[in-house]
Amino acid sequence: GESVGLHLPTLSVQEGDNSIINCAYSNSASDYFIWYKQESGKGPQFIIDIRSNMDKRQGQRVTVLLNKTVKHLSLQIAATQPGDSAVYFCAEKGSGSARQLTFGSGTQLTVLP
Amino acid sequence: EPEVTQTPSHQVTQMGQEVILRCVPISNHLYFYWYRQILGQKVEFLVSFYNNEISEKSEIFDDQFSVERPDGSNFTLKIRSTKLEDSAMYFCASGRWAGGTGELFFGEGSRLTVL
Repeated sequence: GESVGLHLPTLSVQEGDNSIINCAYSNSASDYFIWYKQESGKGPQFIIDIRSNMDKRQGQRVTVLLNKTVKHLSLQIAATQPGDSAVYFCAEKGSGSARQLTFGSGTQLTVLP
Repeated sequence: EPEVTQTPSHQVTQMGQEVILRCVPISNHLYFYWYRQILGQKVEFLVSFYNNEISEKSEIFDDQFSVERPDGSNFTLKIRSTKLEDSAMYFCASGRWAGGTGELFFGEGSRLTVL
C-alpha cells in the first residue's frame, strides 16, 4: 500500500546549527505535503506545507524542499533552538477528493546545548 | 488565538465499555477529523466529517466507531465497546478548506486507556 516514511527516527543537533529532517513518500499521486511538529503531550502543530507544483517553500526559519523525481521531502530548520526539540512528522495527501492526511513515522529532534 | 479543545484529557475504561470523546472545533471551520496515535507510532486517520456527514473513513473506523455533531459546536467520537487495542491518543482536528489542504488545527488529544 501507499506509505510515507522517514529516513531516521532520531536526530541530535547542536543549538544554533541547522537541522535537516528527511521524508520519503511512495504515492506518486500525492499533491500536497505538510510538516507537523509534535511536542510531548501535545497535538501535531502545523509548520509548513507545499504543493506538488512547487520545489521549495520558505517560512520563518524553516524551508521545505520537495523532490518529486525521487519522491523525497525535507524540512530544514535554521539556527535550531532548544524549543525546536520535538517529533517532526511529514504528512501527505493524495490527489482527488480524499481529505485525509497520511502521516509518516516521525523523527525525534533533540537540540543539544 | 482560536484552538481546538478536547475533553477528557485522559480516560480510563474497562474493556467492553462505551466511551465518548468530545471536541470543540474552531468556530468558523467546516471540516472535522479524528485521528489516533498509538503510543510510539504514527498518527493515523480515522474519519473526516463535513456538512453533517462522514466524508471519508479509514479501515480502523469500523462499526464500533461513530461520530456526531450534536449541536453547532461539539464534535464527538463514540466507541461502543472498547477493546484493549483502542488504547491510544485520539486527536480531533478542524480545517477551513476542502480536501484536507491548508492548515489543520489539532487539539491536544484525549488519551484513552482500556483495561
